[in-house]
Amino acid sequence: DVKVTQSSRYLVKRTGEKVFLECVQDMDHENMFWYRQDPGLGLRLIYFSYDVKMKEKGDIPEGYSVSREKKERFSLILESASTNQTSMYLCASSLSTATNEKLFFGSGTQLSVL
Amino acid sequence: GENVEQHPSTLSVQEGDSAVIKCTYSDSASNYFPWYKQELGKGPQLIIDIRSNVGEKKDQRIAVTLNKTAKHFSLHITETQPEDSAVYFCAARRYGGATNKLIFGTGTLLAVQP
Repeated sequence: DVKVTQSSRYLVKRTGEKVFLECVQDMDHENMFWYRQDPGLGLRLIYFSYDVKMKEKGDIPEGYSVSREKKERFSLILESASTNQTSMYLCASSLSTATNEKLFFGSGTQLSVL
Repeated sequence: GENVEQHPSTLSVQEGDSAVIKCTYSDSASNYFPWYKQELGKGPQLIIDIRSNVGEKKDQRIAVTLNKTAKHFSLHITETQPEDSAVYFCAARRYGGATNKLIFGTGTLLAVQP
């Protein structure tokens, strides 16, 4: 089975800190995604990547950046954390957007910004 | 862009009863509609999906129906069991357009009472 691993289950940071959320997948998937999950708002796409060193903005990219230096790893960066970025962050990967749409999600990182 | 509305936000049923969750979408060009189940403390998992060239798909106790004219699709769970308790997300996607990504609904918390 595909495994998507997020480095931290819970994270507490201070306002203004630079925050790194790490995600690793072990099935050689081309595509990786970062979603944010908030009650009543569902899953919203922050950024995604179709290949190494490639990235595209999702629906809510403001305040975030990403890095994909290796195929298996996709990092989400909060340059200067703010309290409105307190949320559950979910990483996902998929084999291909054209023929196999199934997303495999990690267990999530609950980030609290104080 | 695409917008997906999901109802109800919470649903409580007795074990053995049926549960129905409904979603509507705005982009008539959307042609792929998956459903994801998120258990407590885990990431969402794909449970069933349907493409726009079929009207219904079944997999044991779960089924999805699609009405392209009305732009809505529904998840049906029969003979519900306590392990069906989870948050369910619908999603819609359009291939070939400028925005080739999944748009998720806001989620339904299903509670199956034993």
